Amino acid sequence: AQTVTQSQPEMSVQEAETVTLSCTYDTSESDYYLFWYKQPPSRQMILVIRQEAYKQQNATENRFSVNFQKAAKSFSLKISDSQLGDAAMYFCAYGGPYNQGGKLIFGQGTELSVKP
Amino acid sequence: DAGVTQSPTHLIKTRGQQVTLRCSPKSGHDTVSWYQQALGQGPQFIFQYYEEEERQRGNFPDRFSGHQFPNYSSELNVNALLLGDSALYLCASSLETGWGQETQYFGPGTRLLVL
Repeated sequence: AQTVTQSQPEMSVQEAETVTLSCTYDTSESDYYLFWYKQPPSRQMILVIRQEAYKQQNATENRFSVNFQKAAKSFSLKISDSQLGDAAMYFCAYGGPYNQGGKLIFGQGTELSVKP
Repeated sequence: DAGVTQSPTHLIKTRGQQVTLRCSPKSGHDTVSWYQQALGQGPQFIFQYYEEEERQRGNFPDRFSGHQFPNYSSELNVNALLLGDSALYLCASSLETGWGQETQYFGPGTRLLVL
């Protein structure tokens, strides 16, 4: 069974600095999808970034980028120029190939605080 | 562009009761997934609906059931509520394209408290 592990329950970063959140996963599939979602105290889960496993290039979305290491089954999120609004719970999620349905498997989350 | 909406936002029930939660998908989406998020945990997949059928189900008992309507909106029903059912229930919608894992967009959730 696929699993997702986030080993950092809490992280802290100074405003304008860079922080990296870690995620590892386990799967025997070669075709899959990885996501980072942000959940602020308002509860709404917001998509941060998406990575397709078949793409070698790491996904980037403005200040957010990932380091996707397929062989190591690692998918870390880098947040550059951190802002106060980045403070939230961050979840890493795995989605399997199409023939396995649309289920997402989430990690336990990393709570990010941003210090002014 | 309307996002995913859920109702109600909060709900308090007692053990043994039944509850129905509602979800309207993002405009243009046809697939709805439901997740349960216990306090301090990541969301757990309950089931997914597409073309008014349950397409995939997670490891949840039969007390959890759902429905999808022709307009793609969905309901989650939980019977015989237990204290352990207290959680945030998240609805997510996506567009079925026939290939790949499409991105799921989440609603604000319904907070259920069982006393």
